[in-house]
Amino acid sequence: ETGVTQSPTHLIKTRGQQVTLRCSSQSGHNTVSWYQQALGQGPQFIFQYYREEENGRGNFPPRFSGLQFPNYSSELNVNALELDDSALYLCASSSSQAGETLNTEAFFGQGTRLTVV
Amino acid sequence: AQTVTQSQPEMSVQEAETVTLSCTYDTSENNYYLFWYKQPPSRQMILVIRQEAYKQQNATENRFSVNFQKAAKSFSLKISDSQLGDTAMYFCAFMKPYYGGSQGNLIFGKGTKLSVKP
Repeated sequence: ETGVTQSPTHLIKTRGQQVTLRCSSQSGHNTVSWYQQALGQGPQFIFQYYREEENGRGNFPPRFSGLQFPNYSSELNVNALELDDSALYLCASSSSQAGETLNTEAFFGQGTRLTVV
Repeated sequence: AQTVTQSQPEMSVQEAETVTLSCTYDTSENNYYLFWYKQPPSRQMILVIRQEAYKQQNATENRFSVNFQKAAKSFSLKISDSQLGDTAMYFCAFMKPYYGGSQGNLIFGKGTKLSVKP
């Protein structure tokens, strides 16, 4: 157990709908990253939040958006769902300090399996 | 842009034997980090081992060790005394340090499915 929890664990949505996935980061961690893992592929970086602000984004369209809250938990929102959005969505939390070239371990949650039909 | 390539989609090994998983990467960076992650059927990514590029010594963690060849941009994982619990997907990942106060993102390969047979 890493202390990173994601909800829900499974979700089925219809094409065109909107979905919100949630991630509770490990205690003391201020950075949350989201990844999309399609079946049979490695995870792809969606975006990262650091101290409530987006801090880096991968090659994903604007309909993928997110939030980080004061307690450092995070949400991933996807609008206008497409069939290709079906994937495992992973959240990873870590701890960083401004001004440091810190590389701490990223702790992953168990993911949310999203199926779009 | 950085890329990570794992050329072995599937591998199998007998329990107690040794297996090596391959990974190559492409980057123009001089300083970076490399990782091997394990993803069992429970789906949770677990860090197996980490290597800093500026360190010449290969990282080891109990039964797990790496062969890091910086010039060749190669980063293989050796699992000794394989156990049934080692059965999982293994992902090689690259990370460039980010100096703005947060951790850089991970770039993953497509993974190698390892099966340990009794």
